[in-house]
Amino acid sequence: EVQLVESGGGLVQPGRSLRLSCAASGFAFDDYAMHWVRQTPGKGLEWVSGISWNGGTTLYAVSVRGRFTISRDDAKNSLYLQMNGLRAEDTALYYCAKDILSGGGGSDLSFDYWGQGVLVTVSS
Amino acid sequence: QSVLTQPPSASGTPGQRVTISCSGSSSNIGVNYVYWYQQLPGTAPKLLIYRNNQRPSGVPDRFSGSKSGTSASLAISGLRSEDEADYYCAAWDDSLSGVFGGGTKLTVL
Repeated sequence: EVQLVESGGGLVQPGRSLRLSCAASGFAFDDYAMHWVRQTPGKGLEWVSGISWNGGTTLYAVSVRGRFTISRDDAKNSLYLQMNGLRAEDTALYYCAKDILSGGGGSDLSFDYWGQGVLVTVSS
Repeated sequence: QSVLTQPPSASGTPGQRVTISCSGSSSNIGVNYVYWYQQLPGTAPKLLIYRNNQRPSGVPDRFSGSKSGTSASLAISGLRSEDEADYYCAAWDDSLSGVFGGGTKLTVL
């Protein structure tokens, strides 16, 4: 059974940093591109970042480019999102998501499995 | 303001066919695939349609997707009460970023 479990969220002050983790199991993690998608409470979805199956390509939403860094550790079956310079508008539920097709480059938005999400609140 | 434009709401009666539109531009829908997601309250989104018109395993053929030019549509036939949910379209944009629509709340009357 495919499982994606996010962790690392919480309350943080504006300008500070936070690192999200996503532990994956039940599939060949190193074959698939992975993504972070966020959702503001009561609002819509926003794609945040994607990383190719081999980690060679990383892509970011304009709103987080230069502040967030996506990475993966295939030995640990884990995906990460390093978030620096956090702003109030980054407050959201952050989901880890897996591509439906193997070998993806990180720009395919077909996510067949999602985690339960982790809440990040940026406030003083 | 979302890059992809969806109507905020849609409705239909059981058994009816409803469509939800998604309007984009020449930098996203016009040149890239479209995806559709269903989100029930309190749950993570579920992939309904990928690469314009492909259904993942387990998604009923009542759900279908189409694309023409810079617009796309999700059609739901044989509407059921359990289809009441929020629906989102998504596409890759040539600004090297994924973009979602603002979502459409479907009500089954």
